[in-house]
Amino acid sequence: GDSVTQMEGPVTLSEEAFLTINCTYTATGYPSLFWYVQYPGEGLQLLLKATKADDKGSNKGFEATYRKETTSFHLEKGSVQVSDSAVYFCALRLTGNQFYFGTGTSLTVIP
Amino acid sequence: GAGVSQSPRYKVAKRGQDVALRCDPISGHVSLFWYQQALGQGPEFLTYFQNEAQLDKSGLPSDRFFAERPEGSVSTLKIQRTQQEDSAVYLCASSLVTGQQYFGPGTRLTVT
Repeated sequence: GDSVTQMEGPVTLSEEAFLTINCTYTATGYPSLFWYVQYPGEGLQLLLKATKADDKGSNKGFEATYRKETTSFHLEKGSVQVSDSAVYFCALRLTGNQFYFGTGTSLTVIP
Repeated sequence: GAGVSQSPRYKVAKRGQDVALRCDPISGHVSLFWYQQALGQGPEFLTYFQNEAQLDKSGLPSDRFFAERPEGSVSTLKIQRTQQEDSAVYLCASSLVTGQQYFGPGTRLTVT
């Protein structure tokens, strides 16, 4: 069935380090792909998205490229900040409105 | 403007009790979704409304779970005869007909 698999955490990085959180998907159709972020005590927020192959989503210094050939949508940031500490969720949406989420990756950035 | 709100934020129920969780979507949002998020997991789809019509309830785990949105705005998720495995955060999200979903802060349900 349709699903998302993302890198297990927790991930701890020093400030200004490079971040990669891996995400791969299984889908029967042509999904849209998303990264959501959940800051402590807050609800899920959309971070970025890509709706078709080779699209790159970007926001707040984060990027992810929709790779159909590897069924991946890895999240990257060149230089993380303490304020990026949060839980990150990869998700896919097929036609219609149902989302499938990964299990989340907790990121802690230390000064 | 106001985002999605949910109440209560925290609910403790004894096993066997019924609970009702409320979601107030963003005004004008046609679509409303409920998700269940167990500890350490991602949100899992429960059900979806478009206006007052419940178009998909395939994710409801048992017939103890029931959701309604009678006037196409506020929605209530009801869980009857709660069990320990129902302990989770229940998330509500709303959107225009399609497009970005905006999530509420969730209701953390603990069944003792």
